Amino acid sequence: GENVEQHPSTLSVQEGDSAVIKCTYSDSASNYFPWYKQELGKGPQLIIDIRSNVGEKKDQRIAVTLNKTAKHFSLHITETQPEDSAVYFCAAGDTGFQKLVFGTGTRLLVSP
Amino acid sequence: DVKVTQSSRYLVKRTGEKVFLECVQDMDHENMFWYRQDPGLGLRLIYFSYDVKMKEKGDIPEGYSVSREKKERFSLILESASTNQTSMYLCASSTTGSRGYTFGSGTRLTVV
Repeated sequence: GENVEQHPSTLSVQEGDSAVIKCTYSDSASNYFPWYKQELGKGPQLIIDIRSNVGEKKDQRIAVTLNKTAKHFSLHITETQPEDSAVYFCAAGDTGFQKLVFGTGTRLLVSP
Repeated sequence: DVKVTQSSRYLVKRTGEKVFLECVQDMDHENMFWYRQDPGLGLRLIYFSYDVKMKEKGDIPEGYSVSREKKERFSLILESASTNQTSMYLCASSTTGSRGYTFGSGTRLTVV
C-alpha cells in the first residue's frame, strides 16, 4: 500500500521568511496530492492540491511542486505570517477512490 | 459550504465501555472516512465507506467497527474501549471528483 513520509516534523521561521515542507510517497499509482492545514482545536482544512499531470501549482503565497519521477512533492509558503502557524499534513491518493494516506505532519511556528 | 459535524468535541469514557462516535455530513457525499490522529503518527485510517451499508477496513481497524445506515451518517463504534484508544478522532467526507476531504472538527476521546 501507499506510504507517505513527511519532513521536517517541526519548523520554526521568522515572519517574512519562506517555509518548505517535503513529502515522499511510495505508490506510483497515486495521482492526487493535497495539503491540509490544521489549526488548534480544528479539523484539517485543504489549502492546496495538485494532480499528477501538473508539476507546480500556486495560490497567492503558497505553492506545491510535484516530481513524479522521484515520487516527492513539496509545499512552499512565502512571506510567512504568524497566522500561518499550524500543523500541515501532506497526503497522497487516487482521485478515483479518494482514499488518502497522510504524512505525519509538520508543526510550523512563525515568530513575529 | 460542506459541513461535517461530529457529535462531541470531548468525551471521557471508562475502560470496557461501548463508545459511539457520530458523524453527519450535509452535502450528499458518498464517501466517508474515520481517522485517528496521534502525535508523531499523523492521521491513520480506521474505516471507510463508499456507500450506504458498505464499509471497508483501513489500516488500523482492530478494536473498532462502523455503521452506515444512511448516506449522511457514519458512526464509529469502540466495542470495548481501552486506554490505547485515547486519541483524536476525525471524520471526513468526499465525493468522486471533489477536491480532497472535508473534515469535521474532531472528537477528543479519553479512556480512563
